[in-house]
Amino acid sequence: SQQGEEDPQALSIQEGENATMNCSYKTSINNLQWYRQNSGRGLVHLILIRSNEREKHSGRLRVTLDTSKKSSSLLITASRAADTASYFCATNKGASYDKVIFGPGTSLSVIP
Amino acid sequence: GAVVSQHPSRVICKSGTSVKIECRSLDFQATTMFWYRQFPKKSLMLMATSNEGSKATYEQGVEKDKFLINHASLTLSTLTVTSAHPEDSSFYICSATTGTGVYEQYFGPGTRLTVT
Repeated sequence: SQQGEEDPQALSIQEGENATMNCSYKTSINNLQWYRQNSGRGLVHLILIRSNEREKHSGRLRVTLDTSKKSSSLLITASRAADTASYFCATNKGASYDKVIFGPGTSLSVIP
Repeated sequence: GAVVSQHPSRVICKSGTSVKIECRSLDFQATTMFWYRQFPKKSLMLMATSNEGSKATYEQGVEKDKFLINHASLTLSTLTVTSAHPEDSSFYICSATTGTGVYEQYFGPGTRLTVT
């Protein structure tokens, strides 16, 4: 069953703007991860945030986690055309060998 | 580090034939590998979890006799689509984890299967 749900499903912005994507999930988690996928390619791991963390940064990426609302957000600042891709949140309930469940994803288009 | 490869990257086969897809962890030992299926413009759907030396655990609705998974070594897992049909056409992606407390999964580049 699907755990994470992203919104919006599609987002189109101008280069230089910030892009915010949200993810909601249903059950308790150990950690939440964000991935990026370019069209027809494999996934690239962007950032992992643990359930006891509230915010995490990596370069132009900022992830927040609100376990009380079972939601997370991914902010990409100063977007570039190269950021055009699909972004997925994924949740893990426990150990590293536990399965990771993906949300439906947000398709981001950054217009030059 | 943490590179996962898949072979082949693309395969076209005829209905009724079987196709094997390999997933290899190139620079680490993967105690657990996962197989996903992805339809166009959709998310990844977990098919099964594969642990080295034991039988794979399939998700509900995934036919284990249709999608045979073998994780014979710590660096290799294979997915065989048996008696393939056009509806099996999809993008298949594997991922691997070290199982040592690192939670990230490392994904392969995917295999595009087309059944004619």
